[in-house]
Amino acid sequence: SQELEQSPQSLIVQEGKNLTINCTSSKTLYGLYWYKQKYGEGLIFLMMLQKGGEEKSHEKITAKLDEKKQQSSLHITASQPSHAGIYLCGAASNAGGTSYGKLTFGQGTILTVHP
Amino acid sequence: NAGVTQTPKFQVLKTGQSMTLQCAQDMNHEYMSWYRQDPGMGLRLIHYSVGAGITDQGEVPNGYNVSRSTTEDFPLRLLSAAPSQTSVYFCASSRSPGRNNSPLHFGNGTRLTVT
Repeated sequence: SQELEQSPQSLIVQEGKNLTINCTSSKTLYGLYWYKQKYGEGLIFLMMLQKGGEEKSHEKITAKLDEKKQQSSLHITASQPSHAGIYLCGAASNAGGTSYGKLTFGQGTILTVHP
Repeated sequence: NAGVTQTPKFQVLKTGQSMTLQCAQDMNHEYMSWYRQDPGMGLRLIHYSVGAGITDQGEVPNGYNVSRSTTEDFPLRLLSAAPSQTSVYFCASSRSPGRNNSPLHFGNGTRLTVT
């Protein structure tokens, strides 16, 4: 089965700093989903990557999938306290990248942003 | 915009008790799934369903039952609660494949403690 390893496990940054979270897979990533979770709440979908070399951005968050499709990174520029939470990567198990309702998740990265 | 609704939000059970966690979605999604979230382990798939009347096991199905009699509802039953089932449970749904993206939409979770 596919395993996803996220690094770092936790991250504390000062407001305004840039940061990167990595997600590495033991197998080819056909569909890689990034989610954000605030304490006590559900997961909010951020972005999905499917093609090698693909990059997507939303506001100050950029996600990339490497050419070999085994590693993805999530980069936050000029972090704000509102970025704090748990970031999780999830992978689809089929070549089409469709979730079919089920994803394999990394263990999550806890982000703290100090004002 | 209800999305995915989970009840209850919190529950305390004694070892051996049974209960049902409710999940309902109003987006007409075909796919629904249950995950549990434990510290340092990310989300792990318990059971999933690709449509009404069809369910299948995920990574950690033991001690749980599901049924899918309607498209909207996907309850999770704990047959005889054990302390190892103390966790946060998330229900998720997604639309059918054939679209560009089919991310999971999550409920806000049920925090279960078994004493």
